[in-house]
Amino acid sequence: DTGVSQNPRHKITKRGQNVTFRCDPISEHNRLYWYRQTLGQGPEFLTYFQNEAQLEKSRLLSDRFSAERPKGSFSTLEIQRTEQGDSAMYLCASSFRPAGAADTQYFGPGTRLTVL
Amino acid sequence: AQSVTQPDIHITVSEGASLELRCNYSYGATPYLFWYVQSPGQGLQLLLKYFSGDTLVQGIKGFEAEFKRSQSSFNLRKPSVHWSDAAEYFCAVGEGSNYQLIWGAGTKLIIKP
Repeated sequence: DTGVSQNPRHKITKRGQNVTFRCDPISEHNRLYWYRQTLGQGPEFLTYFQNEAQLEKSRLLSDRFSAERPKGSFSTLEIQRTEQGDSAMYLCASSFRPAGAADTQYFGPGTRLTVL
Repeated sequence: AQSVTQPDIHITVSEGASLELRCNYSYGATPYLFWYVQSPGQGLQLLLKYFSGDTLVQGIKGFEAEFKRSQSSFNLRKPSVHWSDAAEYFCAVGEGSNYQLIWGAGTKLIIKP
C-alpha cells in the first residue's frame, strides 16, 4: 500500500492555459474524490467516482472543469482556460466503501496550482 | 443545512501542555466524524474517526476524541503536545446517503517552546 499519489505536486500556469492533474488511488479502492482547498479553509468537495462512474459533481465545478476515471483506476482533473481564481490546492482522496456503509478517505499530498 | 464549526482559528499551547480542539456539527442523524491533520503544503492525514460504538476513540500520535451527542461535539484531545504536533487540524462530518464529507475551516495549532 503506497498511498494516494498525485502529480504534479506543483503547477504554475498562465491565465487561459489548460492544466491536467493526475491522481493514483490506493489500489482496490473503489471511490475517488477530488477536493479544492484555498488558504485558511477546509477542503471543498468537487466530485467523486465510484469505480469509473462519476456519481456527483459540486456546483463549484464549472464547465471548465472535467474529471475522468477510466477503467476505475487513476483519475485526471482538467481545468480549461484557467483563471486566477482557480489558484488553490487540489486534493485527491480514495476509499473503499462497502455497500451501505460509511467510508474513510485517504488523501494524497495534493497539487498546488498557481495561475499567473 | 449541515455544517461543521471549529470555533478556534488559532490555538497556541506550550510544549508538554494538554490540548483540546473543539468541533461542533449540525446534523440530524447519527454522523460519521473524522479528525484530520495537515502539515504545511501537505495533504490530509487521518488522525481518528467515529462511526459507532464507544464514544471515546483513540487515534494515532496519542490523540483521542470524544463524541457527545447531546452537545453535538467531537472534540480532539491530547494530554501532552510535542513541537511536531504544530499543524492545522480539520474536523469533518460524513452525511447523506453518499457520506459526503462536510469540513470545518480548521484550527491552526502553534506550539510554544
